[in-house]
Amino acid sequence: DSGVTQTPKHLITATGQRVTLRCSPRSGDLSVYWYQQSLDQGLQFLIQYYNGEERAKGNILERFSAQQFPDLHSELNLSSLELGDSALYFCASSAPSAREQFFGPGTRLTVL
Amino acid sequence: AQSVSQHNHHVILSEAASLELGCNYSYGGTVNLFWYVQYPGQHLQLLLKYFSGDPLVKGIKGFEAEFIKSKFSFNLRKPSVQWSDTAEYFCAVSPVGSQGNLIFGKGTKLSVKP
Repeated sequence: DSGVTQTPKHLITATGQRVTLRCSPRSGDLSVYWYQQSLDQGLQFLIQYYNGEERAKGNILERFSAQQFPDLHSELNLSSLELGDSALYFCASSAPSAREQFFGPGTRLTVL
Repeated sequence: AQSVSQHNHHVILSEAASLELGCNYSYGGTVNLFWYVQYPGQHLQLLLKYFSGDPLVKGIKGFEAEFIKSKFSFNLRKPSVQWSDTAEYFCAVSPVGSQGNLIFGKGTKLSVKP
């Protein structure tokens, strides 16, 4: 158990819908990272937040957005879902000035 | 663009065999290097990391990796694998000076036959 929690574990929805994935970082960690793992693209970095502010953006679609709240939990919002958005979405956190990241168990999203 | 290549998609070994998984990255500057392991149905766990200093680093469960700067490589090794090492292994890099986001390789699936 890494100390990073993610909910829900599984999510099944239809094309065109919107979902919200939630992540709580380890106690004391200020950075939250979101990654997408799919069969064809592998593990790809989406976005990073540090203490409530966006710090870096990767291959995140415009239909996707995220935020980090004052209690440091983060939410990833996926809208206008397409079949190709089906993937595992991981959240990771790291401590201030630390370079290693600790991953949560992931949310498996299935878009039908 | 920065990228990480893992040459083997699927490796099948018998117990007690030695393991070496290749990882090469493309980036001209200094990087932090990581190997993560994902056991079936579980989340990614940090196996080992290299930031600076001795290029031979030891991680958990008897794994080690060697950073060869001239070859842009960070290969993972284990002298004798066990059935419980069956998992997917991911090499990742993070350019020094970036915000720390990881660039992952596609992963290598290791199957160890008992």
